[in-house]
Parts: sequence; C-alpha cells; structure tokens
Amino acid sequence: EAQVTQNPRYLITVTGKKLTVTCSQNMNHEYMSWYRQDPGLGLRQIYYSMNVEVTDKGDVPEGYKVSRKEKRNFPLILESPSPNQTSLYFCASTPSGGTFATNEKLFFGSGTQLSVL
Amino acid sequence: GQQVMQIPQYQHVQEGEDFTTYCNSSTTLSNIQWYKQRPGGHPVFLIQLVKSGEVKKQKRLTFQFGEAKKNSSLHITATQTTDVGTYFCAGAQSGGYQKVTFGTGTKLQVIP
Repeated sequence: EAQVTQNPRYLITVTGKKLTVTCSQNMNHEYMSWYRQDPGLGLRQIYYSMNVEVTDKGDVPEGYKVSRKEKRNFPLILESPSPNQTSLYFCASTPSGGTFATNEKLFFGSGTQLSVL
Repeated sequence: GQQVMQIPQYQHVQEGEDFTTYCNSSTTLSNIQWYKQRPGGHPVFLIQLVKSGEVKKQKRLTFQFGEAKKNSSLHITATQTTDVGTYFCAGAQSGGYQKVTFGTGTKLQVIP
C-alpha cells in the first residue's frame, strides 16, 4: 500500500532531550516536507527536500534539523526541544520536485503529536 | 512572505445547512489545492484549481478560484455529519519550485 509512515504517533519529552521523528514513504517520491499544525495557524512548513541530499528551510525552521540521505526517509530532528515546539507534526511527500503540476498532490503521514514539558 | 488566510476559523452548522469557507492569498497564485482533515486524522487532498475563474464540483462540494487568482472558496451544500473536519486551502506560488503555503484552516462542526 502506498503510504507515508511517521513514527512515533505520540511523544512526550522534556526540555532539552534530543529526539527524532521518523518519516518514510514507499512511493519513490522526490519531494518530502515537514509541517507543524497549531490551532489558528494552519499548517506551517518547517523544512522540505526536493531530492536526496537537497534540503531547504521552510517558514519555521528554527530549532529543527532534517536530513535526506535516502530517497524514502526524511527524519525530523529536534536537538534541544523546547515547550514552544509542542505541536502536531506532519510529514508529506509528492512525486516531483515540488512543481505541483496538475493534480499533483501532497500525501501526508498520520502525524506525530509532540508534547515538550 | 506569502500569507494565506481563511475565514471563518470555526463554523457550526445544523445538518442540512450550507457551508462556505473562503481563502485569500496576499500574492497571486499559480494554483490552489484544497485538503480535508477529519478529526484525529491527516490532511487528504480534495481538488486542485488552476485556471482563473475555474469552478469545479464534487458531489455536494463546489470549489471556485477567483478571477485574479488570489482567492478561492469551498461551498458545501446540505451538510452531512460526514463533512465534519478542518478544511485547508493551499496556494502554490509561481516559479520553478511552486512553494505551497497552507491557509489557516476552517474547522467545520455539523450538528445532527
């Protein structure tokens, strides 16, 4: 089944304890992206990757790192989490390099609810 | 940077009533997409609009793209409880890499 898999689904941690949220897609998609969802703010892009070894900042990259060593994986790293990073996180992918040609859509993972105490 | 606002933020309707959410971009868009997120779920693609003034329908859902390609709307006729969720628009800027900016979302609650 074609899908984007995120883990974990829920995560509670404490300030300063490094964590990684994994994201994997089995659709051979070139483009992958991380978003955070907060009430009243919608989905805001954290980082994106247009292909292997190519990553770039989105709108809210501070406090996050990513890597794209393989096409299928795009982990999100919080080196020193803080309470303001408590949020619902989504990984998404799309076939091309983000040109969003006709009816090219984003496929989302199931989300990771992160709480930083 | 580009901003995409949606109104209203929340909407409660009686089952059978109509519902509309509006999306406004600060810049001209190449195209716009709409997504639906069920409670506890992830956003799922509904449709994409590309042409100025374009109107598309999916059963009870009608999507419009403004003439200036800076605004869009989603109208649901005779809402059902299955329509509950948050609706997001996502605007793509022009250019080689079409950065997609999501709107703030409209959360729809349908009262049976």
